[in-house]
Amino acid sequence: DTGVSQNPRHKITKRGQNVTFRCDPISEHNRLYWYRQTLGQGPEFLTYFQNEAQLEKSRLLSDRFSAERPKGSFSTLEIQRTEQGDSAMYLCASSFGDRVNIQYFGAGTRLSVL
Amino acid sequence: AQSVAQPEDQVNVAEGNPLTVKCTYSVSGNPYLFWYVQYPNRGLQFLLKYITGDNLVKGSYGFEAEFNKSQTSFHLKKPSALVSDSALYFCAVRALPGYSSASKIIFGSGTRLSIRP
Repeated sequence: DTGVSQNPRHKITKRGQNVTFRCDPISEHNRLYWYRQTLGQGPEFLTYFQNEAQLEKSRLLSDRFSAERPKGSFSTLEIQRTEQGDSAMYLCASSFGDRVNIQYFGAGTRLSVL
Repeated sequence: AQSVAQPEDQVNVAEGNPLTVKCTYSVSGNPYLFWYVQYPNRGLQFLLKYITGDNLVKGSYGFEAEFNKSQTSFHLKKPSALVSDSALYFCAVRALPGYSSASKIIFGSGTRLSIRP
């Protein structure tokens, strides 16, 4: 399968714990995006990378959230000191270039904070 | 600011009948417009896009969408619905490069399409 891969698919954690998610984009895609989706809503943009550079961050991305893409390939999204409000589906997408910008999505990581 | 509105939370259609899922947008400048579909436990799948050119764009699975600049709409349509079309559909908009925050896509809240046999 050469699509966008996200791990883990599900994560259950206790409030206050740190969690990290991983996204492996389609191999030739230079852009990588993170979104958050809560029940009954569309995905909300969090941040995106062009190669290893993080070019934009949403105001939704509080100081407890950090994302990296160290070698311009896979990316990680870490949430520190999780809160119940962080419970959501975290989606990763990748695209090639900018002009057409069809974003291809992974299946997501569902986070439940107890 | 960019925004997308999907006024219907749910659309119910009988199999074989035409379907329309509505979308209106607001963006500075000319938009890129997209439709995505989400099946349970699966990621969003790209259906179709409008960049420029013909106002009627065709996409995957027999879907098409009509761009209407004067009404700022981009409704999704299909002439004959299938039960397998039942899913959650998202309209999305992106401003052209050169505008601030131009790389992110703004999604609507989604419309659940239910096709009854």
